[in-house]
Amino acid sequence: NAGVTQTPKFRVLKTGQSMTLLCAQDMNHEYMYWYRQDPGMGLRLIHYSVGEGTTAKGEVPDGYNVSRLKKQNFLLGLESAAPSQTSVYFCAALDPAPTDTQYFGPGTRLTVL
Amino acid sequence: GDSVTQMEGPVTLSEEAFLTINCTYTATGYPSLFWYVQYPGEGLQLLLKATKADDKGSNKGFEATYRKETTSFHLEKGSVQVSDSAVYFCALRAYSGYSTLTFGKGTMLLVSP
Repeated sequence: NAGVTQTPKFRVLKTGQSMTLLCAQDMNHEYMYWYRQDPGMGLRLIHYSVGEGTTAKGEVPDGYNVSRLKKQNFLLGLESAAPSQTSVYFCAALDPAPTDTQYFGPGTRLTVL
Repeated sequence: GDSVTQMEGPVTLSEEAFLTINCTYTATGYPSLFWYVQYPGEGLQLLLKATKADDKGSNKGFEATYRKETTSFHLEKGSVQVSDSAVYFCALRAYSGYSTLTFGKGTMLLVSP
């Protein structure tokens, strides 16, 4: 039982390049989330999904797209990377009841040059 | 909108000292409150939670009491250890139907032997 895994762990991009971050969970949870973590800013929600085939915008969605084609996977895409997207990205899956706990992946450190 | 305010860090303590990390919130209705902890190089994990006024959450020697009258959820531990060194995040979940969390900016705790 791996919980939540993220691929890749590290990535360096040049401005304008595109990439996709993969989040996978083996807990069969409906709700999944993408956050970014920046120094002094805490965690900010980018997009989330309440089930297969659904997505919704969070606090900072601009420049990102997401897809939830399969329940266990939640993909975060950057179509044209910018230096402002340099960050650590975390995925999470929610167990709503009885624990009401978000389970986080280990993170992806992305640098955009 | 909803918001969470935490004391700024780093908080530097000697082993066996008493810890308090302040957290206050702004939200409509009756939110659930959480403390998450992030150890170096890892994702966040739930430390404790409280779902209604006067509830006390506790785990691993940490405690926090949901105080609606002061809109606070301060984290305390009677005797910290070096292994408690981490970043601590206070968070709230307002009843929105989709269980999104609003995080504070995090407080780094450094415990020296």
